[in-house]
Amino acid sequence: GDQVEQSPSALSLHEGTGSALRCNFTTTMRAVQWFQQNSRGSLINLFYLASGTKENGRLKSTFNSKESYSTLHIRDAQLEDSGTYFCAAEVGGSNYKLTFGKGTLLTVTP
Amino acid sequence: DMKVTQMPRYLIKRMGENVLLECGQDMSHETMYWYRQDPGLGLQLIYISYDVDSNSEGDIPKGYRVSRKKREHFSLILDSAKTNQTSVYFCASSWTGEQYFGPGTRLTVL
Repeated sequence: GDQVEQSPSALSLHEGTGSALRCNFTTTMRAVQWFQQNSRGSLINLFYLASGTKENGRLKSTFNSKESYSTLHIRDAQLEDSGTYFCAAEVGGSNYKLTFGKGTLLTVTP
Repeated sequence: DMKVTQMPRYLIKRMGENVLLECGQDMSHETMYWYRQDPGLGLQLIYISYDVDSNSEGDIPKGYRVSRKKREHFSLILDSAKTNQTSVYFCASSWTGEQYFGPGTRLTVL
């Protein structure tokens, strides 16, 4: 099975609202990264976490390695937040190899 | 500003032709990666390079080879391209874990 299970697969938000994306891991992960893939296809780094919580503007991410999950919270969603969000996790002892989830397609509407 | 570059950005080849995709980074990162992304999927790791002439297979290396003769430069080679190698290819680099991605190369094999 997949080592990184990402949910939901798709999400629609109205401007100004918020929600959470989640990744569950089936094995111990050393670190997690979150990316936004925009309409041009570029992968934008959002967060890199080895543990705990980080916040940047309207985004906040948490990585709980003991309980094997990570979350990305988006608040006050804007139109430019639309895109596909990927989490990717590094298996402990894998020498910096990332395993990607299948992504969450986020659509923000006026 | 950290930067990963990829050339070319778009490429159309015929089945059986050789393909060379190039990646550069200006951050002196030791580790570099090649991934491919197909619709509905996350990124899949093709090869990883830990430094000059120190390359390892990723999860889907079949049909690909790589070359790294300088730390800042990493090439992906397809000898006799196949139609199922049509995809978007991403290069990335990292120092101690967090990966930085290039803009991608869209390869079409006819």
